[in-house]
Amino acid sequence: DTGVSQNPRHKITKRGQNVTFRCDPISEHNRLYWYRQTLGQGPEFLTYFQNEAQLEKSRLLSDRFSAERPKGSFSTLEIQRTEQGDSAMYLCASRPSGAQLLNTEAFFGQGTRLTVV
Amino acid sequence: GQQVMQIPQYQHVQEGEDFTTYCNSSTTLSNIQWYKQRPGGHPVFLIQLVKSGEVKKQKRLTFQFGEAKKNSSLHITATQTTDVGTYFCASPGGTYKYIFGTGTRLKVLA
Repeated sequence: DTGVSQNPRHKITKRGQNVTFRCDPISEHNRLYWYRQTLGQGPEFLTYFQNEAQLEKSRLLSDRFSAERPKGSFSTLEIQRTEQGDSAMYLCASRPSGAQLLNTEAFFGQGTRLTVV
Repeated sequence: GQQVMQIPQYQHVQEGEDFTTYCNSSTTLSNIQWYKQRPGGHPVFLIQLVKSGEVKKQKRLTFQFGEAKKNSSLHITATQTTDVGTYFCASPGGTYKYIFGTGTRLKVLA
């Protein structure tokens, strides 16, 4: 499968627990994004990596959220001390490298649906 | 900050009727992208518009970018049940990211 892969697809956790999601982008894509999507809303930007460097992080992202992309390939998103408000679909997307940063389509994974109970 | 308003929020049409969704920005956009998200699925890229007044067609879908590059529309002719889903526009929101609109959820009644 050459698409963007996300694991797990679903995660149910108790409030206060930590969770970690993984994203494997398309192999030749050096640009990776994390988005969060709640019901009835569009994807909300969380963070962006170019290779292993985290170049942008949303101001809406609390310090309980951290993301890494240690070797410029797969990425992980960790949420510490989860709250019920963290329940959402977490989407990963990747873009190929190119001359222009914002002139190519984004390929989305199928997402990880988090439910905090 | 960058805001992209999308209308309508919902649209129910009878199969065979036309459908249009609009995306409006308060600032000039360098480009705009459109995505479709099927129920339970993930966003899938449809098209990108770059030039002022640009019109692109994909079978029954027609995409337009306004002359002032502040608005865009997606029009579907003779909707089919396979068109069901949420349609999002997305515009650059800085150096690295796209900002997505709130989406228009389309339901097609057979």
